[in-house]
Amino acid sequence: EAGVTQFPSHSVIEKGQTVTLRCDPISGHDNLYWYRRVMGKEIKFLLHFVKESKQDESGMPNNRFLAERTGGTYSTLKVQPAELEDSGVYFCASSQGRDRRNTIYFGEGSWLTVV
Amino acid sequence: GNSVTQMEGPVTLSEEAFLTINCTYTATGYPSLFWYVQYPGEGLQLLLKATKADDKGSNKGFEATYRKETTSFHLEKGSVQVSDSAVYFCALSEGGGYNKLIFGAGTRLAVHP
Repeated sequence: EAGVTQFPSHSVIEKGQTVTLRCDPISGHDNLYWYRRVMGKEIKFLLHFVKESKQDESGMPNNRFLAERTGGTYSTLKVQPAELEDSGVYFCASSQGRDRRNTIYFGEGSWLTVV
Repeated sequence: GNSVTQMEGPVTLSEEAFLTINCTYTATGYPSLFWYVQYPGEGLQLLLKATKADDKGSNKGFEATYRKETTSFHLEKGSVQVSDSAVYFCALSEGGGYNKLIFGAGTRLAVHP
């Protein structure tokens, strides 16, 4: 069974440019999460989809970040325009159902560097 | 609000030494607790978990016990290997029916031969 896959694995862009990160969750997982770790700090929650609906977007830092999950399958996270402080690793994760005991599976992350 | 506090690293050990990485939490209700590991150049992997008080999670020689009375979930391993060098993250899942994770800051472990 394929795990959570993310693309691109690494991206270097200039300040002011746009980057779109993609995540394919594990098949059948309704829950999809975005997290990020910036500058070696703690991993922070960005938002949570249940199928195609945004369940919780309280962690989105500002309106330069836009997440979508059309059709309830894969998701994209767009940063436009990118700023230097957006550099870090963006993790996507997925899980089944509503039970908090269910394991959340993470992808390998998309490493973003803004220069 | 809910939070997770981990001991600061880096932790540097010799091979076969005993490892403890402390983790304490603050939470309302009854969260589930997790340890995730990130090896160099790789993504986050679930190492172990415990879903209720007094549960012990274990995997790859690592163990952690959910202690509600001390709100702790310390990670231990009796004999570390060089291949255990990684960053370890303690996390809890909030209640409310969905398992959004709150992470600690991570503890970097370096094991030398």
